[in-house]
Amino acid sequence: NAGVTQTPKFQVLKTGQSMTLQCAQDMNHNSMYWYRQDPGMGLRLIYYSASEGTTDKGEVPNGYNVSRLNKREFSLRLESAAPSQTSVYFCASSERIRITQYFGPGTRLTVL
Amino acid sequence: KNEVEQSPQNLTAQEGEFITINCSYSVGISALHWLQQHPGGGIVSLFMLSSGKKKHGRLIATINIQEKHSSLHITASHPRDSAVYICAAYSAGSNYQLIWGAGTKLIIKP
Repeated sequence: NAGVTQTPKFQVLKTGQSMTLQCAQDMNHNSMYWYRQDPGMGLRLIYYSASEGTTDKGEVPNGYNVSRLNKREFSLRLESAAPSQTSVYFCASSERIRITQYFGPGTRLTVL
Repeated sequence: KNEVEQSPQNLTAQEGEFITINCSYSVGISALHWLQQHPGGGIVSLFMLSSGKKKHGRLIATINIQEKHSSLHITASHPRDSAVYICAAYSAGSNYQLIWGAGTKLIIKP
């Protein structure tokens, strides 16, 4: 099992460009999450999907949209990237909410 | 004051030493998560516990609900244990919210 995979690993964008971060899990988990991690700060939840067909905002959803494409895949879209969105983005999944989460390797995004 | 606090922030020890990392929380929680973040950035879940003690290899995690405190212990520490260790608490009042500690950076010298 690959666990949780994320693409791309690295990305550089110019202000105003859009992009989609992809996440997939092969553990048949119901719940999936998107976090961002900034230097000196803990992880902050952007959006989560408790189960297929549902998505909800986390702590810092502004500037992002998500799609739970199917049970396996959960994508994060930046419609108009801003320098404040420079961060490392982690996708995670869990069998259901409120239990152990498994993390992908992260995407390092720089917005110039 | 952060709702989840870890101590120490940084810890340097010699190979073989017994390591203790502490996590205190001030809110009601349903469970506590210990994770390890490697120097390369990857995050690995170590333990999820809501009471008592769990052990996996050289790692032991304990939680005292009454005292609102959890500890992560590493026995016979090794340089490969060098990483940032993070505790995160599931808020009792939320379906999804993990309240994250700031992390403890551990360096084990050979």
